[in-house]
Amino acid sequence: EDQVTQSPEALRLQEGESSSLNCSYTVSGLRGLFWYRQDPGKGPEFLFTLYSAGEEKEKERLKATLTKKESFLHITAPKPEDSATYLCAVQASGGSYIPTFGRGTSLIVHP
Amino acid sequence: ETGVTQTPRHLVMGMTNKKSLKCEQHLGHNAMYWYKQSAKKPLELMFVYSLEERVENNSVPSRFSPECPNSSHLFLHLHTLQPEDSALYLCASSQDLVGGPTEAFFGQGTRLTVV
Repeated sequence: EDQVTQSPEALRLQEGESSSLNCSYTVSGLRGLFWYRQDPGKGPEFLFTLYSAGEEKEKERLKATLTKKESFLHITAPKPEDSATYLCAVQASGGSYIPTFGRGTSLIVHP
Repeated sequence: ETGVTQTPRHLVMGMTNKKSLKCEQHLGHNAMYWYKQSAKKPLELMFVYSLEERVENNSVPSRFSPECPNSSHLFLHLHTLQPEDSALYLCASSQDLVGGPTEAFFGQGTRLTVV
């Protein structure tokens, strides 16, 4: 069974204080790993897809990296507007093609 | 704006009511999904359609009935719901289920409250 574990569950940062969110996964074969951002009461917003270990993608202050067991979402010099819940999902290459989501990391950035 | 539009954004209904949620995607995608999101729980997949054919149904109670009349529209018909069905209902679409870009794009959701 595919599993996705995100940590920490919640993270509070000061503006400008860089940090990383973790997504550990267990899947028979990885087809893709997805990162989303979700604001309260809204639908998740797609950020990145990573396909293979060693791959990295960047968008503004966010950088996602992937190994064979986990992915990190690095946030550099965060701003209050980066406050949101960040969701990770994995899609297996065999069996069910439906993505499995983690519970998310709630990030609050204080000014 | 992600190209996936859900209506209504908020819905309050009694347990004996019948209502429908609507989803429309303008992305030319072939797959559409219904998810349920409850507080402090991961996203729960309810239904998946690919090219208007239902391909997944995760043991969802029959009081939830999906309909996909074409590849751009998806409905979720609701009847005799329970208070525990109160949640954020999210529609999503992706280019394909397999063989192509499969990242899902979500609508803004419908916040459903059952009283």
